[in-house]
Amino acid sequence: RKEVEQDPGPFNVPEGATVAFNCTYSNSASQSFFWYRQDCRKEPKLLMSVYSSGNEDGRFTAQLNRASQYISLLIRDSKLSDSATYLCVVNEGSNYQLIWGAGTKLIIKP
Amino acid sequence: NAGVTQTPKFQVLKTGQSMTLQCAQDMNHNSMYWYRQDPGMGLRLIYYSASEGTTDKGEVPNGYNVSRLNKREFSLRLESAAPSQTSVYFCASEVTGYNQPQHFGDGTRLSIL
Repeated sequence: RKEVEQDPGPFNVPEGATVAFNCTYSNSASQSFFWYRQDCRKEPKLLMSVYSSGNEDGRFTAQLNRASQYISLLIRDSKLSDSATYLCVVNEGSNYQLIWGAGTKLIIKP
Repeated sequence: NAGVTQTPKFQVLKTGQSMTLQCAQDMNHNSMYWYRQDPGMGLRLIYYSASEGTTDKGEVPNGYNVSRLNKREFSLRLESAAPSQTSVYFCASEVTGYNQPQHFGDGTRLSIL
């Protein structure tokens, strides 16, 4: 099975801080990459796609490093509402199957 | 604005019972998926349907069957439930194409005693 690895955390971070976590993938032929957010006992929701040149959406920045086969997610000025599990997802491109990481749990503390 | 609708939301079964989980999407998506999520693990693909009329096995298909009834509906059947199938089941749909996200239903929490 192709692997997508994430630090499970939890990352305990004070409100307003910046936090970053990485995700490594094993298949160098992987073509598309995503970060999803999952709140406790809820369905995953797309946070952002990750583009080769990196991309930013408000307080969130995603980066792709193909040479080292990892993607990263940076959250600036963290809010209490950012507390969730962040799932790294990779599409290897050969079929319709996404490979999901087990997630990194983030807890923002007041 | 329903998106992906799954029924039921909760179910308790006894070992050996059968049941069908229902999934419907109203976004005119071609591809549909069934996943299971267990504690500490990523979502694992059970079956998927790239388009109406086709279904394919994912990573963990044993003990399950699926039917793509039409473009909107994709059902998952457990013929003889086992305790190892206790999990949260998610249905998802997607516009087929590069870099397209998947949209999920609320999930079905299934316990098998």
